[in-house]
Amino acid sequence: DAGITQSPRHKVTETGTPVTLRCHQTENHRYMYWYRQDPGHGLRLIHYSYGVKDTDKGEVSDGYSVSRSKTEDFLLTLESATSSQTSVYFCAISALMRATNYGYTFGSGTRLTVV
Amino acid sequence: QKEVEQNSGPLSVPEGAIASLNCTYSDRGSQSFFWYRQYSGKSPELIMSIYSNGDKEDGRFTAQLNKASQYVSLLIRDSQPSDSATYLCAVSSGSARQLTFGSGTQLTVLP
Repeated sequence: DAGITQSPRHKVTETGTPVTLRCHQTENHRYMYWYRQDPGHGLRLIHYSYGVKDTDKGEVSDGYSVSRSKTEDFLLTLESATSSQTSVYFCAISALMRATNYGYTFGSGTRLTVV
Repeated sequence: QKEVEQNSGPLSVPEGAIASLNCTYSDRGSQSFFWYRQYSGKSPELIMSIYSNGDKEDGRFTAQLNKASQYVSLLIRDSQPSDSATYLCAVSSGSARQLTFGSGTQLTVLP
């Protein structure tokens, strides 16, 4: 689907350790996003990118950083993981769908557990 | 803070009935509106987008938009058990096409 893959799919890590999640796309899309999904909160935007080295904060960016050194890769780093960051993380790209309409395509998600 | 509100549900309808899902949003500057379907344990997938006031139909799905009332809805006609999923309303209002999502409505279609 739109050539977007996330890795790892599942991860268990200890409190206080750094963790990096990877999002890789193969279709040269400019816009990429990281969301987290928690019960009762829906999807919340963490960070997004509008080009190589161009990133900005979303609604819930505290404790997270991102990097985009190549068009195809968007990395999300939890600098020092906490239990409140246990969540499912989705990467998305904004792509042209159905003529002139843009929509998101999501990766398969990463289920992160911080113990 | 931009907000998108949905009926939390769960919503149950019998097979063949019309399912009606509702969403309101707070940012009057919002331009684009989307409905995503998410099966349990899967990623969201786009099913409808709407940009102007009125109705937009695609197969069994109809999206309705009323910008004056800041209201978006999704109707699913002839509901099928395979429609059982969580439906997410999303609103775009940023220069980088950022989406703000509602918390979703869980729909169950009973055979």
